[in-house]
Amino acid sequence: DAMVIQNPRYQVTQFGKPVTLSCSQTLNHNVMYWYQQKSSQAPKLLFHYYDKDFNNEADTPDNFQSRRPNTSFCFLDIRSPGLGDAAMYLCATSRGGVGQGSRPEAFFGQGTRLTVV
Amino acid sequence: GDSVTQMEGPVTLSEEAFLTINCTYTATGYPSLFWYVQYPGEGLQLLLKATKADDKGSNKGFEATYRKETTSFHLEKGSVQVSDSAVYFCALNRGSYIPTFGRGTSLIVHP
Repeated sequence: DAMVIQNPRYQVTQFGKPVTLSCSQTLNHNVMYWYQQKSSQAPKLLFHYYDKDFNNEADTPDNFQSRRPNTSFCFLDIRSPGLGDAAMYLCATSRGGVGQGSRPEAFFGQGTRLTVV
Repeated sequence: GDSVTQMEGPVTLSEEAFLTINCTYTATGYPSLFWYVQYPGEGLQLLLKATKADDKGSNKGFEATYRKETTSFHLEKGSVQVSDSAVYFCALNRGSYIPTFGRGTSLIVHP
């Protein structure tokens, strides 16, 4: 089945030690998103790629970076994780610009639970 | 800007009870509307959607009707099960391909 896969499901990292989360998709969608979700809150969009174009949300800290080497893969890099960065990180994809009036749904991975110790 | 407002949770029900989770939205034009479900420790899954006024989305016994006159998309189920316990997110997409999510409503179903 076509899907969005995130690795690992659980990640423990040390305070200040760089960490990378991975996302891959077999849907061939041109848009990929990274969300941060803290307990009992809605997902918060960090940034997204529309094709190769990177779009950062205004309030996303500089500590968060992303790479998309090709259509299928996208990475979230946290340069110096702090205790406040412990959260569930969700990758999602959708089709953008497929036609006038298109309003596609997003497809989510299972998430990576990040713990900072 | 666009926004989605959901009822505060948690909603606590006994098995086989009737469920309503309210969702209203603010957006110009004609957005598509969605309900996503998030089971504990998992990502979000699309539950149902509606793309135009008066459309009814349905899946797994859940239903929601796109009401443009009241800007609402309330989620309903006639008889909930323990396995329906999850967080439910209402969302809209007005054509910018980025969904706008509500804050989520937690549902707890007791045997």
